[in-house]
Amino acid sequence: KQEVTQIPAALSVPEGENLVLNCSFTDSAIYNLQWFRQDPGKGLTSLLLIQSSQREQTSGRLNASLDKSSGRSTLYIAASQPGDSATYLCAVSGYALNFGKGTSLLVTP
Amino acid sequence: SAVISQKPSRDICQRGTSLTIQCQVDSQVTMMFWYRQQPGQSLTLIATANQGSEATYESGFVIDKFPISRPNLTFSTLTVSNMSPEDSSIYLCSVTTPQASNEKLFFGSGTQLSVL
Repeated sequence: KQEVTQIPAALSVPEGENLVLNCSFTDSAIYNLQWFRQDPGKGLTSLLLIQSSQREQTSGRLNASLDKSSGRSTLYIAASQPGDSATYLCAVSGYALNFGKGTSLLVTP
Repeated sequence: SAVISQKPSRDICQRGTSLTIQCQVDSQVTMMFWYRQQPGQSLTLIATANQGSEATYESGFVIDKFPISRPNLTFSTLTVSNMSPEDSSIYLCSVTTPQASNEKLFFGSGTQLSVL
């Protein structure tokens, strides 16, 4: 059974800092990996999707990398802003998505 | 992208009652799923909603407790039956679309359920 772990569980940083969120998974036979953002009362928003054959994806200030052989992914957020405060979820897909518990990020002004 | 309307957004229910959650998508979708997110936990897949046939349930979830309908390509309901406080969770509808590449998943805003 695929197990997805996210570290740290919570993170608080001052505005402007660059930060890295980590995701690890136990079964490297994945189809793709997605990073989501979850805001209270607003469901989940897909941020980045990396195919198993890819190494990274970028969108604006976000960069996600994937190392399938080691079962790891990172989400890099550059120049963090208070609006980035949310819970970030990593999910790996086989038949369906297996989610980690998320990293709760707080960016303080 | 797909716009997903999920309702109710939240509800407070009494033990032993049932609640039906609706999920409406603004375009045709390939797959529809129902997830549960218990407090402090990750999302767990309940079932895949199949159009015109019985849903496919994941281990630990059964049709009698979580009956699901999907009468057409853009609409599905999840019922939480005979509720207990342990059913207090966020329930989320999610879809994949023919237009989105690589099995990208879209989510509704969720239903926050509290059972007293």
